[in-house]
Amino acid sequence: GQSLEQPSEVTAVEGAIVQINCTYQTSGFYGLSWYQQHDGGAPTFLSYNALDGLEETGRFSSFLSRSDSYGYLLLQELQMKDSASYFCAVPSGAGKSTFGDGTTLTVKP
Amino acid sequence: GAVVSQHPSWVICKSGTSVKIECRSLDFQATTMFWYRQFPKQSLMLMATSNEGSKATYEQGVEKDKFLINHASLTLSTLTVTSAHPEDSSFYICSASGTGTSGSTDTQYFGPGTRLTVL
Repeated sequence: GQSLEQPSEVTAVEGAIVQINCTYQTSGFYGLSWYQQHDGGAPTFLSYNALDGLEETGRFSSFLSRSDSYGYLLLQELQMKDSASYFCAVPSGAGKSTFGDGTTLTVKP
Repeated sequence: GAVVSQHPSWVICKSGTSVKIECRSLDFQATTMFWYRQFPKQSLMLMATSNEGSKATYEQGVEKDKFLINHASLTLSTLTVTSAHPEDSSFYICSASGTGTSGSTDTQYFGPGTRLTVL
């Protein structure tokens, strides 16, 4: 089966950098995805890492270490609008994905 | 690219009625579509997976006769909640994966969700 662990809550201030970790256990691994979900909205795709290393997209970066079954989402220059829930996810076969329970990020002024 | 629409965005219905929710991929071919429900402050719970032209595969504990799923084309899937009851009130979200996107073929793109309230 698949399981993912991520912190339930993270708080940071505007302008800061925050890292949201995700560890996973899978029977087969194809990649790690990250999604953002604002309160009342649907998840939006942020990034996908299939290989080890850091992928940067603007203020957001995602890192993967397959040997450690670990990844993280790095958010820089935090803005109030970044307050949301962030989910890591791994493919679980037949096109499905298994999602972590989500990390609620609160950005304070 | 990779836009998924969902209609309606919210619906209120009486107990015992049926509600149909549509999910469309607007700019790519969705070979697989997924239906989730999400309760407040909780993660996404996968209900079923549908592939174009075949029957949906339901997750354990999801009643297939209550949640009817049809995936008639590469751009459209529908979820019908039959004989809805107040406990079916939830946020229903579809997602789609397929070809012609910037992600992998397993990357899921979500619709904006449908908030169902059953009175």
